[in-house]
Amino acid sequence: EVQLVESGGGLVQPGGSLRLSCAASGFSSSDYNMDWVRQTPGGGLEWVGRSRSEPYGYTTEYAASVKGRFTVSRDVSKNSFYLQMNSLKTEDTAMYYCTRGAVGSIPHDSWGQGTLVTVSS
Amino acid sequence: DIQMTQSPSSLSASIGDRVTITCRASQDIRNSLAWFQQRPGKAPESLIYGASSLQSGVPSEFSVSGSGTDFTLTINSLQPEHFATYYCQQYISYPFTFGPGTKVDIK
Repeated sequence: EVQLVESGGGLVQPGGSLRLSCAASGFSSSDYNMDWVRQTPGGGLEWVGRSRSEPYGYTTEYAASVKGRFTVSRDVSKNSFYLQMNSLKTEDTAMYYCTRGAVGSIPHDSWGQGTLVTVSS
Repeated sequence: DIQMTQSPSSLSASIGDRVTITCRASQDIRNSLAWFQQRPGKAPESLIYGASSLQSGVPSEFSVSGSGTDFTLTINSLQPEHFATYYCQQYISYPFTFGPGTKVDIK
């Protein structure tokens, strides 16, 4: 069974940092694109960033709103995926979801349960 | 960035009704469109990809059409488990963008 389990969310002050983790099981994450998608308190969904699969060198893409502040990465040995978030802003407050995507087809075929990040002083 | 719009933003319907949700892209996205369903308090779930391919396990009540800039998602016979918010997303170019969602609730 495919499972994605996020952790690492919490309350952080503006300007602070946080690292989210996504533990994958039931599949080899190196074979898939891995993304972070966030959902704001207002309900809108925003794609945050992607790490492409191994054949594509784990190259990355980011939304303009987070580029230069957020970094996606993987630990293949742990079958895990990460989101390092620096210089956090109040507008980064959201539920953060880890997703899996099949190369060349389904962009987000599996989702984790999410981890909540609150940026507030 | 490609802008995605959806209509209506919400609708009320009864069990057994047929409902249609429209998604429009600000430029041609060919068939690089996905649909997601989100029930209250849950993570989104994938329904459709490639504009017309149903994700494994998605019931046949769902049908889709469209390509280019205009797409529709139809639920042919609304069931209790279909009351949720539906989002479309384009994935032809970065940044991937979602529509604002259509909430389907019980009349």
